Amino acid sequence: KQEVTQIPAALSVPEGENLVLNCSFTDSAIYNLQWFRQDPGKGLTSLLLIQSSQREQTSGRLNASLDKSSGRSTLYIAASQPGDSATYLCAVTSQTGANNLFFGTGTRLTVIP
Amino acid sequence: KAGVTQTPRYLIKTRGQQVTLSCSPISGHRSVSWYQQTPGQGLQFLFEYFSETQRNKGNFPGRFSGRQFSNSRSEMNVSTLELGDSALYLCASSLKDEETQYFGPGTRLLVL
Repeated sequence: KQEVTQIPAALSVPEGENLVLNCSFTDSAIYNLQWFRQDPGKGLTSLLLIQSSQREQTSGRLNASLDKSSGRSTLYIAASQPGDSATYLCAVTSQTGANNLFFGTGTRLTVIP
Repeated sequence: KAGVTQTPRYLIKTRGQQVTLSCSPISGHRSVSWYQQTPGQGLQFLFEYFSETQRNKGNFPGRFSGRQFSNSRSEMNVSTLELGDSALYLCASSLKDEETQYFGPGTRLLVL
């Protein structure tokens, strides 16, 4: 069974700092990996999707990398802002032709002004 | 284009009752997935529907069921509610398999 872990569980950084969030998964036979953010009491917002054949994806200040063979992904956030404060979740799809996501435990990020 | 919508946004029920939640996907999306989010278990996959057929099912008891209509709108039903069913229920839609999933705001269910 696929298990997804995120470290750290919580992170506080001063505004302007660059930071890295980590995600690991036990079964490397994935089809894609997505990073989401969730604001308190809200739904999930998709940030980046990396297909299994890709190594990284970038969107603005966000960069996600994928090392499928080692079962790891990182989300790099440049020049953090208070508005980046949220819980960040990674999720993998482990079955072709399906859309069921296995989610990590999340990292709660606080950016201090 | 409108996003994924879920109704109702909040629900309070008592043990033993049943509840039906609704999800309208983004126009043109045929895949709808349901997830349960709790503080203890995190986000867990319930089931996925594609073109009115259940394609995948998570590890939840038979009290949890769903369906999808010809317009891709989906409903999930929970019968004989238990206290542990209190959670945020999220649905997501996607245009193609293995592509980005777009989530709705969720329905927060409280079982008393």
